[in-house]
Amino acid sequence: DADVTQTPRNRITKTGKRIMLECSQTKGHDRMYWYRQDPGLGLRLIYYSFDVKDINKGEISDGYSVSRQAQAKFSLSLESAIPNQTALYFCATSDRSSPNEKLFFGSGTQLSVL
Amino acid sequence: GQQLNQSPQSMFIQEGEDVSMNCTSSSIFNTWLWYKQDPGEGPVLLIALYKAGELTSNGRLTAQFGTTRKDSFLNISASIPSDVGIYFCAGQVEGGSEKLVFGKGTKLTVNP
Repeated sequence: DADVTQTPRNRITKTGKRIMLECSQTKGHDRMYWYRQDPGLGLRLIYYSFDVKDINKGEISDGYSVSRQAQAKFSLSLESAIPNQTALYFCATSDRSSPNEKLFFGSGTQLSVL
Repeated sequence: GQQLNQSPQSMFIQEGEDVSMNCTSSSIFNTWLWYKQDPGEGPVLLIALYKAGELTSNGRLTAQFGTTRKDSFLNISASIPSDVGIYFCAGQVEGGSEKLVFGKGTKLTVNP
């Protein structure tokens, strides 16, 4: 079983719909992240959480919200999806006690907004 | 925000050739990480570097933490078809946020 699991793996939705992407981890890490990947733009940080109920904005948080109700779960919501939110989304975790911020990624969710 | 310049953007090589890619920044880093992303998967950590001048190998991969602390290099020797993917550098800026800064990736294609 994967240590960082993202669901769904693929999602097609329509403009204006609310959707939620889920992430769960069995690594016991306290820190969790949501990234977005677009071709040629690399990985951009949307939101991150260092502990339960701790929420911090990343560089591209507009149009997104997150929830961290448990250490192992971090969900990303698009309140009203728009086409330019079509992208590959990754959840990642890291361990506060590790010497540096080594991230462990899930397999990604490919989101298409029509 | 902080920027990492990763080059080249893409590479097309023949099986057996060596590969070099690098990341540079105007900022000083205290950590450099190299990730590989296979098609359809999330990035996986290949090598982590923690001090200037450090040279670390992982099989046919070798990475170096530049002595100026503003750059890092990744070399792949004797490439094979399974080396295809996107390689990302990432780093932690000294005195900055704990969060990693990512390069935009180098897409590697290996022709058999």
